[in-house]
Amino acid sequence: GQNIDQPTEMTATEGAIVQINCTYQTSGFNGLFWYQQHAGEAPTFLSYNVLDGLEEKGRFSSFLSRSKGYSYLLLKELQMKDSASYLCAGINDYKLSFGAGTTVTVRA
Amino acid sequence: DSGVTQTPKHLITATGQRVTLRCSPRSGDLSVYWYQQSLDQGLQFLIQYYNGEERAKGNILERFSAQQFPDLHSELNLSSLELGDSALYFCASSGVAGTGGKNYGYTFGSGTRLTVV
Repeated sequence: GQNIDQPTEMTATEGAIVQINCTYQTSGFNGLFWYQQHAGEAPTFLSYNVLDGLEEKGRFSSFLSRSKGYSYLLLKELQMKDSASYLCAGINDYKLSFGAGTTVTVRA
Repeated sequence: DSGVTQTPKHLITATGQRVTLRCSPRSGDLSVYWYQQSLDQGLQFLIQYYNGEERAKGNILERFSAQQFPDLHSELNLSSLELGDSALYFCASSGVAGTGGKNYGYTFGSGTRLTVV
């Protein structure tokens, strides 16, 4: 399998930066996704990395190192609405495998 | 609206019963995926269909089955329901068999919340 590990919870202040790390077994994944999920709602696509390096999209950036089995999602200029669960997911054999998610709480 | 439609949104049923969850993928998407998310649990992959054929299977119980019809909508059938089957069931779709794509990802429906009492 491709175990995906990410921290359970993180807390940060409005306007700050938070980095959510994700590690996984290096074999098998063709790419790595990040999704945002508010409680009781559907996950929504944030980013996709297939090559090593940093992908920047507005306040969100995602980084991938395939050799290290490591990715992170960087959230800048945190807003209250960013309080949500952030899911790291690897794609392999036509399916996405998700980590358990990191619950980010943004405080004023 | 993500373009992926799931019905019903909520379902309450008794143990031992059977239910059917329905999913219509985004227009043009050929792949449909089913996921289960229990309270405080991650998304667990159940099964994938591509253009009517089963493509990949995850930790799906034998009491559960699914199919994809010629019009590409999919149904997930859950039978002999147990209390532990209470969860959010998500359907997702993508345009090609599993790749998602750089600017694409999988598009999720809003889910069906199943409560077994």
